[in-house]
Amino acid sequence: GAVVSQHPSRVICKSGTSVKIECRSLDFQATTMFWYRQFPKKSLMLMATSNEGSKATYEQGVEKDKFLINHASLTLSTLTVTSAHPEDSSFYICSASTDSGTQETQYFGPGTRLLVL
Amino acid sequence: QKEVEQDPGPLSVPEGAIVSLNCTYSNSAFQYFMWYRQYSRKGPELLMYTYSSGNKEDGRFTAQVDKSSKYISLFIRDSQPSDSATYLCAMSPPGQNFVFGPGTRLSVLP
Repeated sequence: GAVVSQHPSRVICKSGTSVKIECRSLDFQATTMFWYRQFPKKSLMLMATSNEGSKATYEQGVEKDKFLINHASLTLSTLTVTSAHPEDSSFYICSASTDSGTQETQYFGPGTRLLVL
Repeated sequence: QKEVEQDPGPLSVPEGAIVSLNCTYSNSAFQYFMWYRQYSRKGPELLMYTYSSGNKEDGRFTAQVDKSSKYISLFIRDSQPSDSATYLCAMSPPGQNFVFGPGTRLSVLP
């Protein structure tokens, strides 16, 4: 089956530093990757849609300069949280789609728990 | 009113029970409906995917969509402790992003 990995699984950083999270599709090529944020007992919130080789499409209210997304290859997308603050602490989940632009066939990564002190 | 509502639980049932999980929604344009299972500190995994109205069965799981009532359900038969997880519903109009419910936490007690 389709496997998506994320690295790191957990990260603790100081306020003001930047953190990079990697999302990889291990056994398939993903033209589209999605980045979500999940607060405890809350819905998954879509942050952005990332297509290989082009700029990410950010959802309303998501700061593109704060959450930098790069989708350099068909198997790798990265999310960089720049100048992280405690309110950025959350569970970040990526997913990869085998069909261009659709969420119906997305496979989720295991998530990255970010704690900003 | 939120677009997708789901009772957060927790819902505790004994092993072997039939579990009913539900979501209500307000957007009549939703056509695609999905159920995900998410174990603690893990990413969601797709359980069921239905289009428009009707029922879909896969093993112990049955998904129902009632578009007239804007109500979807996931039934789990012969529930097992390994079914203990958070169940998320998600739905979308054609060609648009999915909206997720907040999830219902289920605990199946041995």
